[in-house]
Amino acid sequence: QQQVKQSPQSLIVQKGGISIINCAYENTAFDYFPWYQQFPGKGPALLIAIRPDVSEKKEGRFTISFNKSAKQFSLHIMDSQPGDSATYFCAASSYTGTASKLTFGTGTRLQVTL
Amino acid sequence: KAGVTQTPRYLIKTRGQQVTLSCSPISGHRSVSWYQQTPGQGLQFLFEYFSETQRNKGNFPGRFSGRQFSNSRSEMNVSTLELGDSALYLCASSLAGRGPNEQFFGPGTRLTVL
Repeated sequence: QQQVKQSPQSLIVQKGGISIINCAYENTAFDYFPWYQQFPGKGPALLIAIRPDVSEKKEGRFTISFNKSAKQFSLHIMDSQPGDSATYFCAASSYTGTASKLTFGTGTRLQVTL
Repeated sequence: KAGVTQTPRYLIKTRGQQVTLSCSPISGHRSVSWYQQTPGQGLQFLFEYFSETQRNKGNFPGRFSGRQFSNSRSEMNVSTLELGDSALYLCASSLAGRGPNEQFFGPGTRLTVL
C-alpha cells in the first residue's frame, strides 16, 4: 500500500527556475514530514522537515508548504542550480515513542539544465 | 563528527547464500534503522534497533534479520538469498530521543545476487 504518493517522477528545470515536487499522504497519524536529497552513489541526506502545526517552513532556497486538510505537502526549490540535480524523496512518520520508521515517496529525479 | 559508515560498500553473492552487512552509527546515536532501496519498490523500511532491541519492523520475510550491539553498531543478515534481494541497503542512525528524530543515512551497501 502506497501511503505517500509523490509526483512528478521526473522534472527538468532551467537554471534559476523554481522546482516543485508534490506529495500526498493517507495516514492521518503522520506528524513529521522530511524531504531527502540523494545523489548517485550516496545515501539520502535530510534537506528540510516540517511538523503539521505549521503551514510553511523555509531554509535558504528550499521551502516546504504543508496543507493538513488536504493531506498534501510540497517542496519548492527556488533559483534552482545544476548542483541541485538529484533525486528527491518525501517521507512521513508518526511519533508513537518508537518513531524512527520513515515511509518514503517514490522519488523525483530532478535535472537542472543550464 | 564522523557520519554513518557501512561495510562493505559492494557485495556480490549467489542465490542461496547468506550475507551480513554492517553499520556503525554516528557517535552518540542509539537508534539504527535499515532500509532497502530498489528501482521498483523505492525505499522500504526493514527494521529499527534501539538499545540492542528490535522495536520496529517492516514487511519483509524472516530471511531478513538484524541485531544491535552494546556500542550501537548494527548488523543485518539476509539468509537464502534470492535474485530479488539485489538492492542498495541503507542504514540510518538517530539520537532516538523523544519526538521525531532526524535520521542520518550512510552511503549504503550495494548487494548484487547472481
